[in-house]
Amino acid sequence: EPEVTQTPSHQVTQMGQEVILRCVPISNHLYFYWYRQILGQKVEFLVSFYNNEISEKSEIFDDQFSVERPDGSNFTLKIRSTKLEDSAMYFCASSRKGQDASPLHFGNGTRLTVT
Amino acid sequence: GIQVEQSPPDLILQEGANSTLRCNFSDSVNNLQWFHQNPWGQLINLFYIPSGTKQNGRLSATTVATERYSLLYISSSQTTDSGVYFCGLTGNTPLVFGKGTRLSVIA
Repeated sequence: EPEVTQTPSHQVTQMGQEVILRCVPISNHLYFYWYRQILGQKVEFLVSFYNNEISEKSEIFDDQFSVERPDGSNFTLKIRSTKLEDSAMYFCASSRKGQDASPLHFGNGTRLTVT
Repeated sequence: GIQVEQSPPDLILQEGANSTLRCNFSDSVNNLQWFHQNPWGQLINLFYIPSGTKQNGRLSATTVATERYSLLYISSSQTTDSGVYFCGLTGNTPLVFGKGTRLSVIA
């Protein structure tokens, strides 16, 4: 069964550094998402992406965050200047149709630790 | 926005026991999914169930959209069922997750 793949599985970075988290969504999916989960808390929506543009974003997704689909297969999340509070598990997800019409498939996550 | 409440927050079971996890929501939904987060943090999609009943092995789920709840049934629990179970739902919003039910199955 096709799956969403994320790299790296773990990332440790120093405060103030830029990080790029990478995702390869399922190939025939058109909608892409990033979610994050701070340790011990619930999973929170960051951003959705469709047709090469952001379709929705949460208040967490401020100017420090950006997303990109640089080619036909990758979907990236960039954090420009990391803060301690950015430490979390970041999940990429994709769906064939929009969130209201088809299930979301999640990757295994990237655990980001900011020191 | 939509409010999602899961119960119980924590559950400890003896291996072989059955359990029912509940997800209540405050508004009509278009999409409801159940996920299992295993001890390694992976989110595994169990069911896509905006309405009706589905079964997959020892797991089954029922959503009664008109009464705004969904139930996840685990029968003959195994230690590998341990982890956190989340429901996530949309209603003209991005997928919103509940706080989860932490299940521990003891041998």
